[in-house]
Amino acid sequence: DTEVTQTPKHLVMGMTNKKSLKCEQHMGHRAMYWYKQKAKKPPELMFVYSYEKLSINESVPSRFSPECPNSSLLNLHLHALQPEDSALYLCASSGNGRGTDTQYFGPGTRLTVL
Amino acid sequence: DAKTTQPTSMDCAEGRAANLPCNHSTISGNEYVYWYRQIHSQGPQYIIHGLKNNETNEMASLIITEDRKSSTLILPHATLRDTAVYYCIVVDYGQNFVFGPGTRLSVLP
Repeated sequence: DTEVTQTPKHLVMGMTNKKSLKCEQHMGHRAMYWYKQKAKKPPELMFVYSYEKLSINESVPSRFSPECPNSSLLNLHLHALQPEDSALYLCASSGNGRGTDTQYFGPGTRLTVL
Repeated sequence: DAKTTQPTSMDCAEGRAANLPCNHSTISGNEYVYWYRQIHSQGPQYIIHGLKNNETNEMASLIITEDRKSSTLILPHATLRDTAVYYCIVVDYGQNFVFGPGTRLSVLP
């Protein structure tokens, strides 16, 4: 089973709202990732968690706050977003986060910021 | 920046083989070649990867040239469901995936 699940599938929020995206995997993977994908563009890496510790933050604004409560769960907390943050947010996981591991992606959360 | 270059778009007739090229002329000895595809508005799907040797699985074949400067992903019998953006990614141990623009493959009936 190579399934990564993400909830919600769609999210509409105002600029003053606080919301969270959730990602879950049960493959025993120890690395989890958040990517952002704007329309007609490739995915861009935002954060990497390896063994439940944040290992990479690709200069993402602080209005995006990741959290890894355990090795199976990854959250992305959103606060005071801007309309330009509207995008598809993808979660992925891999065995150990060491680059050459195959990453498995979830279906994404389509976020619209009004 | 992505370390690969791919054609922007390609067409393929249904039932024929789709051959998607990827150039990675600066690849180093430890870097793997990965292929993913993304069907409209879905998450990227892993297809295949390789280091030096050609690889085959139930989805596709990966042909890597002897000098490793380019590779070709082959979908042996393309169907309409193979219409997607195909990403070729070169990645080394300790690095993370960097997606380039990919190739938009259209399978035509």
